[in-house]
Amino acid sequence: AQSVAQPEDQVNVAEGNPLTVKCTYSVSGNPYLFWYVQYPNRGLQFLLKYITGDNLVKGSYGFEAEFNKSQTSFHLKKPSALVSDSALYFCAVRGIYNFNKFYFGSGTKLNVKP
Amino acid sequence: ETGVTQSPTHLIKTRGQQVTLRCSSQSGHNTVSWYQQALGQGPQFIFQYYREEENGRGNFPPRFSGLQFPNYSSELNVNALELDDSALYLCASSLTTDRVGEQYFGPGTRLTVT
Repeated sequence: AQSVAQPEDQVNVAEGNPLTVKCTYSVSGNPYLFWYVQYPNRGLQFLLKYITGDNLVKGSYGFEAEFNKSQTSFHLKKPSALVSDSALYFCAVRGIYNFNKFYFGSGTKLNVKP
Repeated sequence: ETGVTQSPTHLIKTRGQQVTLRCSSQSGHNTVSWYQQALGQGPQFIFQYYREEENGRGNFPPRFSGLQFPNYSSELNVNALELDDSALYLCASSLTTDRVGEQYFGPGTRLTVT
């Protein structure tokens, strides 16, 4: 079975500071991992994905994520947070047997304070 | 390129009624997936349609059904609405042949059941 876990319901960070949003995964086989962002009353917007290759993945809006196979983690990071980064962030893993089925975490609310 | 669109934006229904939600997939995408996102939770996979047939289903009862049309647009139908059906319903489109790509989400339909 495939699943992802986001251990933090909420992350608070000051503008200009680095941010990390945590995600761990459970997958039998090689994982295809994704990060999405959701602004209030909006759908999900794709940020970045890990398929294979370099463990550090760069995505939209200055975000990046580090894939760590030994720790089964895929944490989202940004060197310098902006107030406009405040939103709900979801980690997801793609299904092994049904490639078009995504399994989402419960989400982490990121609050960036000025 | 046209993105994923959904209608209506908001909907209020009474318990026991039936509802139909609509989705137009992104240009060139042949697969549509539907997700239910309850308040404070991550999206949960309902089902997916490809070539006008259901191609994978999550843990939802049969009163959740769908259709896909030759132009790849899709409908989600929910019969005998229950209070717990209140949620944001998200449609996502993708290419079945793309096994590593992301899904593209629409803005969602907010359903309230009273």
